[in-house]
Amino acid sequence: QSVLTQPPSASGTPGQRVTISCSGSSSNIGSNTVNWYQQLPGTAPKLLIYSDNQRPSGVPDRFSGSKSGTSASLAISGLQSEDEADYYCAAWDDTLFGGGTKLTVL
Amino acid sequence: EMQLLESGGGLVQPGGSLRLSCAASGFTFSSYAMSWVRQAPGKGLEWVSAISDSGGSTYYADSVKGRFTISRDNSKNTLYLQMNSLRAEDTAVYYCAKRSQYSSSWYTDYWGQGTLVTVSS
Repeated sequence: QSVLTQPPSASGTPGQRVTISCSGSSSNIGSNTVNWYQQLPGTAPKLLIYSDNQRPSGVPDRFSGSKSGTSASLAISGLQSEDEADYYCAAWDDTLFGGGTKLTVL
Repeated sequence: EMQLLESGGGLVQPGGSLRLSCAASGFTFSSYAMSWVRQAPGKGLEWVSAISDSGGSTYYADSVKGRFTISRDNSKNTLYLQMNSLRAEDTAVYYCAKRSQYSSSWYTDYWGQGTLVTVSS
């Protein structure tokens, strides 16, 4: 069981906006930044968001991150079929990972 | 183009040893901290170990402390993970990963494709 709690699954239809939550505590999310990773089926993870809300170059602005207190969220707007993947939050300089959320595009 | 190429995975018996290597190219290897992250079959990501750019500082997850050793050879642009006393629960794909820093926080900005380690008799 991961210290960072994510919903095991999420879904949406093309064009929709979906959010994935990551819940922690004052000792992890509450005192450290959160990073988000996308893992497409059969591939290595890829950085999506770092330091709560920073987007690396090359990541579409449809992806955004936010944090409030001991929880963080990843929002995906204009959902596309290629967004179907597993999403992981991470904290404590990536030494703690959430259990992952499988996103299905209906 | 940045590349991290892991090797050394395979089938090993419980109690055995294995050394993973990760050959880096496309960036100044000696300027970056590196880490190993693993993923058991069908499971999520688990941080295993990290090492500073110089190799002078190393960090381990409690689950592998005392059994695994991370090291690097900056002259060869290569990261290593020596794994001893392997257990069935160490079975996973092991990813080599490059770390970067933003303000005072770290993140993983590039991952290799991974190498599978299977611990079984």
